[in-house]
Amino acid sequence: DVKVTQSSRYLVKRTGEKVFLECVQDMDHENMFWYRQDPGLGLRLIYFSYDVKMKEKGDIPEGYSVSREKKERFSLILESASTNQTSMYLCASSGTPIGNTEAFFGQGTRLTVV
Amino acid sequence: RKEVEQDPGPFNVPEGATVAFNCTYSNSASQSFFWYRQDCRKEPKLLMSVYSSGNEDGRFTAQLNRASQYISLLIRDSKLSDSATYLCVVNMGSNYQLIWGAGTKLIIKP
Repeated sequence: DVKVTQSSRYLVKRTGEKVFLECVQDMDHENMFWYRQDPGLGLRLIYFSYDVKMKEKGDIPEGYSVSREKKERFSLILESASTNQTSMYLCASSGTPIGNTEAFFGQGTRLTVV
Repeated sequence: RKEVEQDPGPFNVPEGATVAFNCTYSNSASQSFFWYRQDCRKEPKLLMSVYSSGNEDGRFTAQLNRASQYISLLIRDSKLSDSATYLCVVNMGSNYQLIWGAGTKLIIKP
């Protein structure tokens, strides 16, 4: 059974903290994605990676960075958490070609910044 | 105008009924289309791809209308377990960008 695993289901962090969200996939997929999901807005792409050490900005990269040191792991970093980053964060992976193959999601991390 | 638009619902439908909802997209160059299902507090999962000729999977039928730029999902003989949010997803033709609708919430009532 394919699996994308996010390190935490729920997180509460303080404003200004540095936050790490980890995602691991076991499908040997080239492509990995970080989205945030907010009510009424759908999934919005923060960053994606199509190879180890490669990253591309999505639609809303401000305030975030990513790291992909190994193929199976894609980390999202909030450099200095702010209350407007309170959201559901979803990691996904897919094979090639991007956009034409099924995306598999982790269970999501609900982050609250106070 | 949003690139991918869906009626948020909720659609309240009695068990056994047929329900259909649409999703409109703005970019006529869009190439690939999908329906995902998301249960409450869970991650999205692929329901079905949408092909130009339309496709059917059991009780579910997906259609694409390129002229009017929308895709549709029809569910026949609805079950309580069909209650979920249905997300429309469109590949706008770039090599990575999937544009997600905000979802249509469906509630099947006994």
